[in-house]
Amino acid sequence: NAGVMQNPRHLVRRRGQEARLRCSPMKGHSHVYWYRQLPEEGLKFMVYLQKENIIDESGMPKERFSAEFPKEGPSILRIQQVVRGDSAAYFCASSLLPDTQYFGPGTRLTVL
Amino acid sequence: AQSVTQLDSQVPVFEEAPVELRCNYSSSVSVYLFWYVQYPNQGLQLLLKYLSGSTLVKGINGFEAEFNKSQTSFHLRKPSVHISDTAEYFCAVSLFSGGYNKLIFGAGTRLAVHP
Repeated sequence: NAGVMQNPRHLVRRRGQEARLRCSPMKGHSHVYWYRQLPEEGLKFMVYLQKENIIDESGMPKERFSAEFPKEGPSILRIQQVVRGDSAAYFCASSLLPDTQYFGPGTRLTVL
Repeated sequence: AQSVTQLDSQVPVFEEAPVELRCNYSSSVSVYLFWYVQYPNQGLQLLLKYLSGSTLVKGINGFEAEFNKSQTSFHLRKPSVHISDTAEYFCAVSLFSGGYNKLIFGAGTRLAVHP
């Protein structure tokens, strides 16, 4: 049973470009969470999705950030017009039941 | 609102010595508690969790934690550490509300095991 998969593992973008981060949950998991980890800090919740629905996006910046979890395919975290402050590690987690989340290896975004 | 405080940002320890990583939380409602470990440039791996029941929880790699409701603590312990335990450890609390959990993490404790 494969774990949570994220790609790319490393992503470099120039200021103003778009970043697309993908997350494939564990098989059978319908709950997906995105977290951001800034350097030397803990993880901060961004958004929680179920298939085709955003349930809680209280941790998402109001502008430039969006997330989706379509019926088919991975969950996508999209950052438009990236700025240097977006440089961070972005982690996806999935769960089968609402209690325990399993994390992917993360995508490390560097904005030049 | 829930919050998590990890009291030590760094803990140096010699190999085979015992270690305790401290975690305190604040919450006005019942919560679930977790410890995750992060090795350099990797994702988070679940060490152990407290959902209900026995307050002493055993996890992987010889770690255990004790839930203390009166002190709102969930300290992580290991009786004898190895070099391979060197990593960042995160305590997290979740509030089960609306049918899902949102994890709130502490800032992390960097465990450095020296030979």
